[in-house]
Amino acid sequence: DARVTQTPRHKVTEMGQEVTMRCQPILGHNTVFWYRQTMMQGLELLAYFRNRAPLDDSGMPKDRFSAEMPDATLATLKIQPSEPRDSAVYFCASGLGDRGADGYTFGSGTRLTVV
Amino acid sequence: AQKITQTQPGMFVQEKEAVTLDCTYDTSDQSYGLFWYKQPSSGEMIFLIYQGSYDEQNATEGRYSLNFQKARKSANLVISASQLGDSAMYFCANRSGNTPLVFGKGTRLSVIA
Repeated sequence: DARVTQTPRHKVTEMGQEVTMRCQPILGHNTVFWYRQTMMQGLELLAYFRNRAPLDDSGMPKDRFSAEMPDATLATLKIQPSEPRDSAVYFCASGLGDRGADGYTFGSGTRLTVV
Repeated sequence: AQKITQTQPGMFVQEKEAVTLDCTYDTSDQSYGLFWYKQPSSGEMIFLIYQGSYDEQNATEGRYSLNFQKARKSANLVISASQLGDSAMYFCANRSGNTPLVFGKGTRLSVIA
């Protein structure tokens, strides 16, 4: 089965450090999403790309978060500097954005802990 | 803006019984889709079932079916013959056209032997 690959699976870092999370979407999927999951807020959309172009990043704190898609096989989410409130599970998902019936395929997530 | 409401934080069901997980949605769009995902304790998000707003029949996928009531804006998930492996968080989600999925807060289902 095709899958979305996220690295790392777990990351513990100190406050103030830079964190980079990576995602390899499914080959052929033209839309890539970054979601954050916390107990309090649930699943929140941070940003998404279609055909590698950023479409919406309004869910991200702009001063510390950045999302890029340098090529079709790699999406990155960076946090600099990280803060304890960024502790969460970050999911990458990919799909075919122009087909309504397609559910997204999610990666396994990166569990981030900022101490 | 789209909004998904799941009013049941937690549910219990006896093994082999059926269970209904509630989901209501709020959208002004005429064309939209409703999705259910399962998140077991391992953390991955697993796509279960889809219902389009213009679909006349309720969607079914194996033991999963979606009770779609358009006028009431509800899209409840029905799991028949519950199994212990069904214990997980279940998320309802909505999208309109090409927009991203908007998720509800989820319902934790526990299946009891």
